[in-house]
Amino acid sequence: GAVVSQHPSWVICKSGTSVKIECRSLDFQATTMFWYRQFPKQSLMLMATSNEGSKATYEQGVEKDKFLINHASLTLSTLTVTSAHPEDSSFYICSARTFSYEQYFGPGTRLTVT
Amino acid sequence: AQTVTQSQPEMSVQEAETVTLSCTYDTSESDYYLFWYKQPPSRQMILVIRQEAYKQQNATENRFSVNFQKAAKSFSLKISDSQLGDAAMYFCAYSNSGGGADGLTFGKGTHLIIQP
Repeated sequence: GAVVSQHPSWVICKSGTSVKIECRSLDFQATTMFWYRQFPKQSLMLMATSNEGSKATYEQGVEKDKFLINHASLTLSTLTVTSAHPEDSSFYICSARTFSYEQYFGPGTRLTVT
Repeated sequence: AQTVTQSQPEMSVQEAETVTLSCTYDTSESDYYLFWYKQPPSRQMILVIRQEAYKQQNATENRFSVNFQKAAKSFSLKISDSQLGDAAMYFCAYSNSGGGADGLTFGKGTHLIIQP
């Protein structure tokens, strides 16, 4: 089956710094990747849709200047949380869409901002 | 905007028995996809089953089956012969089109407990 990886799996950063999370499709090409956020004991909320070679589309209420998304190739999308604050602490999950429209999820990245 | 509602925060079932998880949704679209995802403690999202709205036949995957009632906008998941490994959070999800061409809208989830 299709495999999606995320790196790092857990990151701790200080308030005011930036952190980058990578999402890779390992054995397939993904023209579209999605980024979700999940708070403890809550559901997943779609943050943005990332299309290879074009600007990301952000959901209403998501600050695009804080959550920078780059989809530079068919196998890699990155999410950079800029000037992170404790309220940005969360679990970030990416998914990648195959050409046959199936979506596969990465294992997630836990971000803790101190 | 589409919404997905799971009214059961937690369900408990004896091992080997059958359990049904409920899901309702709201949409004005006629063509869409519905999904059930499983999230174990590892937090890796695992696709359990998928249903295309244009198909009248309910989807089945081994011990997992759905009851899709399009007019009622209901999409329940039945797990037969429950196993300890089925214990997890279960999320019902909706996608506008293309089997996942759009991002997914998730319900709040149901925590399934399997009693040995």
